[in-house]
Amino acid sequence: GAGVSQSPSNKVTEKGKDVELRCDPISGHTALYWYRQRLGQGLEFLIYFQGNSAPDKSGLPSDRFSAERTGESVSTLTIQRTQQEDSAVYLCASSSRGTGAYEQYFGPGTRLTVT
Amino acid sequence: GNSVTQMEGPVTLSEEAFLTINCTYTATGYPSLFWYVQYPGEGLQLLLKATKADDKGSNKGFEATYRKETTSFHLEKGSVQVSDSAVYFCALKGDAGGTSYGKLTFGQGTILTVHP
Repeated sequence: GAGVSQSPSNKVTEKGKDVELRCDPISGHTALYWYRQRLGQGLEFLIYFQGNSAPDKSGLPSDRFSAERTGESVSTLTIQRTQQEDSAVYLCASSSRGTGAYEQYFGPGTRLTVT
Repeated sequence: GNSVTQMEGPVTLSEEAFLTINCTYTATGYPSLFWYVQYPGEGLQLLLKATKADDKGSNKGFEATYRKETTSFHLEKGSVQVSDSAVYFCALKGDAGGTSYGKLTFGQGTILTVHP
């Protein structure tokens, strides 16, 4: 079946502009995650949605970052007033459940470059 | 909070050599442990996992044993191939009793290059 998809695959934006990144999880997966991968570093957790529960936003680096999810489907990550340090690959993952050691399936990522 | 530390890379080996990538963690309770792999030009994918102490995860000739006494989850393979060249990430998922429940905490990644 279809995996996790993300769009756009690449985004170049000017400093100060807003960007919106999209994630389509695997159908039926109740848990959805956003991570950030800066060049040469590991993945950094940003936000986690589990069903209709309140999202875990503990990883969002500043109030310029926000994310929404409609039910158990599409999620969008919005970065307002982008800064150069926001340049990274943004990865989305989904899993059948957030509890337990269920595998997280990752999308190909969106590479964001802020100039 | 939870943290994962991987051995510094990059690691360069000849084909058929023995591989060890060290991973240690800090976490409360009983986390689940994972190794993810990112092949060139591809997305991150799960390689193996272990959910409790002394469990051994294995896949594609790779193995890792969950050692609670040493808080380690070292990745090993007896004979690497050129096709194993990739970036390897150790990760943990906190248990239900912790504030980090649900999300993965990753190490910084280890680049492995295998030469023929």
